[in-house]
Order: sequence, then structure tokens, then C-alpha cells
Amino acid sequence: DQQVKQNSPSLSVQEGRISILNCDYTNSMFDYFLWYKKYPAEGPTFLISISSIKDKNEDGRFTVFLNKSAKHLSLHIVPSQPGDSAVYFCAASRGGGADGLTFGKGTHLIIQP
Amino acid sequence: KAGVTQTPRYLIKTRGQQVTLSCSPISGHRSVSWYQQTPGQGLQFLFEYFSETQRNKGNFPGRFSGRQFSNSRSEMNVSTLELGDSALYLCASRGSGFSYEQYFGPGTRLTVT
Repeated sequence: DQQVKQNSPSLSVQEGRISILNCDYTNSMFDYFLWYKKYPAEGPTFLISISSIKDKNEDGRFTVFLNKSAKHLSLHIVPSQPGDSAVYFCAASRGGGADGLTFGKGTHLIIQP
Repeated sequence: KAGVTQTPRYLIKTRGQQVTLSCSPISGHRSVSWYQQTPGQGLQFLFEYFSETQRNKGNFPGRFSGRQFSNSRSEMNVSTLELGDSALYLCASRGSGFSYEQYFGPGTRLTVT
């Protein structure tokens, strides 16, 4: 049973526009959420995170929104740049992180020139 | 600071053999986690070590084991390899204390023939 779901395997966005990546979760015990970016043949790179006590966190071009009642989070990238083309993973954690991260299957973001 | 390093980067083994993978965390990080990435199952948590003790384990058979040394370096061992063990094995480290963010190495690509 997938506890973290990314329902869009791929997303194509024009350069300069906003990219919105979505993630849903089912386990209400999750209390921390993270987004990672992955290029082929590399490990995931940490992008941004949010605690369940917040509903928004910003870092430069990246903003993560959390809707606890809907068990939904999203990553906004504004403006999108060619270097943003990668696979984005949503991850969730609980219990201070010792339980490990539960990942979604990823969304392949393609930025079109 | 140097990032997480993993050796070897690529490995080819035969079914029935065993394999040991190595991971050196970011300097000062005492927690090391291991993950398996496959096309079908995505990124899955194997186990986490902190101060040489396994703190949590994912849903993997006992053929998968690990250990952590006093310098926080970690090894993962897979015995009696099966074709389905072919995957990218990722190591991640995080700082001590209440820290959820995990920082990943480049991974070891294991192919079982």
C-alpha cells in the first residue's frame, strides 16, 4: 500500500512559467515532508522541507505548501529554468526521522525552452 | 564539507553470491540510512544506523544486513543474491539530534546476473 503518492509520472512546463508538482499521503502519523530532486546516475538532492505544524515554506524559487486536512502537499517552482529538468520525489517522515523516509514514485519534470 | 561517498559505484555479481557496499557519511553526521531504488518499487527504506546501533529496519528479508563503525562509516551486506536484488543502493546521512533532512550519496548500481 503506497503511503505517499505522486500521481503524475511526468510534467512538461515552459521555461519561465510556474511548475507545480503534487503529492498525496495517507498516513496521518507523518509529521515532516521533504522534496528531493534527482538527476540520472546521481543520488537525490535535498530541496526543501516542511513540518506538519506549518502550511508553507519558501526557499528562493521553491515553495512547498501543505494541506493537512486534505493530506496533500505541492512544490511550486517559479520561474522554471532548464536546469530544473529532473525527477522530483516527495518524501514523508515521522518519529524524529528514525523510521526512514517514505518516498513517492517521483514526477519527471521537463522544462521546455 | 565533503558529501556522502559510496563505493563501489558499479558492481556486477552472480546469483547466489554475496556483496558488501560501503558508505562514508558527511563529517559529523552520526546517522546513516540505506535505501534501495528499483523501477518497480521506487525508493524503499532498508535500515538506519545511529552510533553503531540499528534503530529501524524496513520490510526487507534477513539477507539484507548492515553495520556501522565507530567513525560512523557504514557497510551494507546482501547474501545469497537474487536477480531481483539488482537495483541502485543509496546511502544517506543526517546530523545528530532532531533532524529529518537526509543527504544522499551517488549510489551503488548493483547488477545481479
